[in-house]
Amino acid sequence: ETGVTQTPRHLVMGMTNKKSLKCEQHLGHNAMYWYKQSAKKPLELMFVYNFKEQTENNSVPSRFSPECPNSSHLFLHLHTLQPEDSALYLCASSQDDSGWDYGYTFGSGTRLTVV
Amino acid sequence: QQPVQSPQAVILREGEDAVINCSSSKALYSVHWYRQKHGEAPVFLMILLKGGEQKGHEKISASFNEKKQQSSLYLTASQLSYSGTYFCGTEPLRAGGTSYGKLTFGQGTILTVHP
Repeated sequence: ETGVTQTPRHLVMGMTNKKSLKCEQHLGHNAMYWYKQSAKKPLELMFVYNFKEQTENNSVPSRFSPECPNSSHLFLHLHTLQPEDSALYLCASSQDDSGWDYGYTFGSGTRLTVV
Repeated sequence: QQPVQSPQAVILREGEDAVINCSSSKALYSVHWYRQKHGEAPVFLMILLKGGEQKGHEKISASFNEKKQQSSLYLTASQLSYSGTYFCGTEPLRAGGTSYGKLTFGQGTILTVHP
């Protein structure tokens, strides 16, 4: 375990389903992030939350909806996804949104398959 | 805009050295380096904040050339445990010398170390 816990580890969902990914950290970090990792593509930043406020939405389609109820928890709500959304979704946290000195701590990810 | 890493892949024998490069088209606030093993979360290696800064972590070190907007990761006397995909992440520089808090990753360099 890295200090950032993601659940579930694997998720298969149909295109009409609604599901949520959960991320939890107890490192005392104030910034949390969602990244998408597809095969043979770089890690893509999706959302940034700093002190529970969303500070970045990297042109992510509205079928992905983040929620950050407190500094320790981050959710990614999914609905009417497309097969091309199948990927590894990684959550990360850092002390603040500069990631200064200690970098980002990543979770192990949720492997999402959309059928 | 994402940084560009080179080479895309490196194959080494134990004890050999390698250099991985990371180039950006933008002025940078910082460069991060991460290693990801198959099926695991990316793990933070180091961050470089100042132009010309060099940092070391056991036999892994890195440099940051601010003028060239480049960073290099040096792996010396490689070990089997060094195998994995290495990512650089860059934070663009904002007016006033701070960052946007938006880490963008390169496409990764696959490093394989053989006995």
